[in-house]
Amino acid sequence: AQSVTQLDSQVPVFEEAPVELRCNYSSSVSVYLFWYVQYPNQGLQLLLKYLSGSTLVKGINGFEAEFNKSQTSFHLRKPSVHISDTAEYFCAVSALYNQGGKLIFGQGTELSVKP
Amino acid sequence: GAVVSQHPSWVICKSGTSVKIECRSLDFQATTMFWYRQFPKQSLMLMATSNEGSKATYEQGVEKDKFLINHASLTLSTLTVTSAHPEDSSFYICSARRRTGYNEQFFGPGTRLTVL
Repeated sequence: AQSVTQLDSQVPVFEEAPVELRCNYSSSVSVYLFWYVQYPNQGLQLLLKYLSGSTLVKGINGFEAEFNKSQTSFHLRKPSVHISDTAEYFCAVSALYNQGGKLIFGQGTELSVKP
Repeated sequence: GAVVSQHPSWVICKSGTSVKIECRSLDFQATTMFWYRQFPKQSLMLMATSNEGSKATYEQGVEKDKFLINHASLTLSTLTVTSAHPEDSSFYICSARRRTGYNEQFFGPGTRLTVL
C-alpha cells in the first residue's frame, strides 16, 4: 500500500518570492509521482509527473519537482510565484503495477500568494 | 487532447431523490474511470473504479447500493446517487485513464451536489 504526506496544509507567500511545497511518500513498490493543482470549484490539472529517468522534472507554469528516492520525497518548487498560483496543490502516487492505476493523494497544500 | 467532461456541473435536489452524474472522455477511449468525492478543504477520496463492460470495484466503506456506477462504453461512465440525503452533499470528480500509455488520469471539472 502507498501513502502520501504533504507536510504543510497552508503556505502563505508574497508575490515573486520562491516557494516549496513538500511531499513525502511511503510505498513498498515502485511508484509514479504526480503533482496536481486545483482551482476553486474545479477539477484537477496535472502540473508535472515523474515516471523514470531524470529526477528533476519540469512542469507547466514554471513549476518543477525533484524526486529523491532515498528520502522518499517529491517536493514541488517555483522560483517566483504569481497571484494566479493561488490554489490547492495535491501530491499523488500510483503504483507501477497491479493496482489498476489508482492514485493515492496527499491531504493537499493551500498556496496563498499575497501582493 | 485528453479532455474529460462532467454533467451536470452542479445540481440541487431534494432528500430522497436520485441524481445521475455523467463522466465522458471526449477525445480518447478510457478503459478505466475513477470516481472521487471531495469534501470542502479536504483531499480527494476514491470511491470506486469502473472498467468498461464490467462491474465497478468499490473502495472500503463506500455503499455500492447507494452509489451506482455504470461504465457503459469506452467514453462514458455514470454515477447515480440513490435516495440522496444531505450528508451526500459533496463535490464529485471523475477521472479517466487512457487505453494506452502509463497511468495518467485525466480529471473532469467536477459536479457539486447539494441535497436539501
